[in-house]
Amino acid sequence: QQQVKQSPQSLIVQKGGISIINCAYENTAFDYFPWYQQFPGKGPALLIAIRPDVSEKKEGRFTISFNKSAKQFSLHIMDSQPGDSATYFCAADRGGGNKLTFGTGTQLKVEL
Amino acid sequence: GAVVSQHPSWVICKSGTSVKIECRSLDFQATTMFWYRQFPKQSLMLMATSNEGSKATYEQGVEKDKFLINHASLTLSTLTVTSAHPEDSSFYICIAGTGGAYGYTFGSGTRLTVV
Repeated sequence: QQQVKQSPQSLIVQKGGISIINCAYENTAFDYFPWYQQFPGKGPALLIAIRPDVSEKKEGRFTISFNKSAKQFSLHIMDSQPGDSATYFCAADRGGGNKLTFGTGTQLKVEL
Repeated sequence: GAVVSQHPSWVICKSGTSVKIECRSLDFQATTMFWYRQFPKQSLMLMATSNEGSKATYEQGVEKDKFLINHASLTLSTLTVTSAHPEDSSFYICIAGTGGAYGYTFGSGTRLTVV
């Protein structure tokens, strides 16, 4: 019920390409879906987040697509850059800061 | 913006000793503090949730007598790893909930290595 499944585990993208990371959840009570970026040795940092009342949210090169009926959401990184190389975690929360359930993480490498 | 100061950022200790990790909310009151653990190349797993002035709620499989959590004030929460062993080596991170909708502030994490 509380799981958030994330794929792929690792991803290699060429510079300028599109990176796509997918997450699926089971608990329909989840109503907040953030994405975090983590560099080695650092804590995760909020990248972008979405609530289920919208199907897409875009901030710069980062876009979240949300499919409520399929219980899936994805992160798209447009024009991927080597500086985007990091581990990305999706997460979900059910109602007002209850607690975050994290996905398993995706290690992204953007090659020149 | 809201900041949670977590320290130490890294610590090496001998097996059998105890280590205390502190998280302070600098410019807001953290009504709830979530403590997570992250093993190398793995996800963040919730260990316990603490609310100011009450006992922490531990996740299944987390030993409450080994991982002591204190949340005595709205600006300070501590995690003490007692009688640490090499298998406790991990990245520990606190996440403060501000009580509002979807408000989370992350600490910077503590890398614990037990030798």
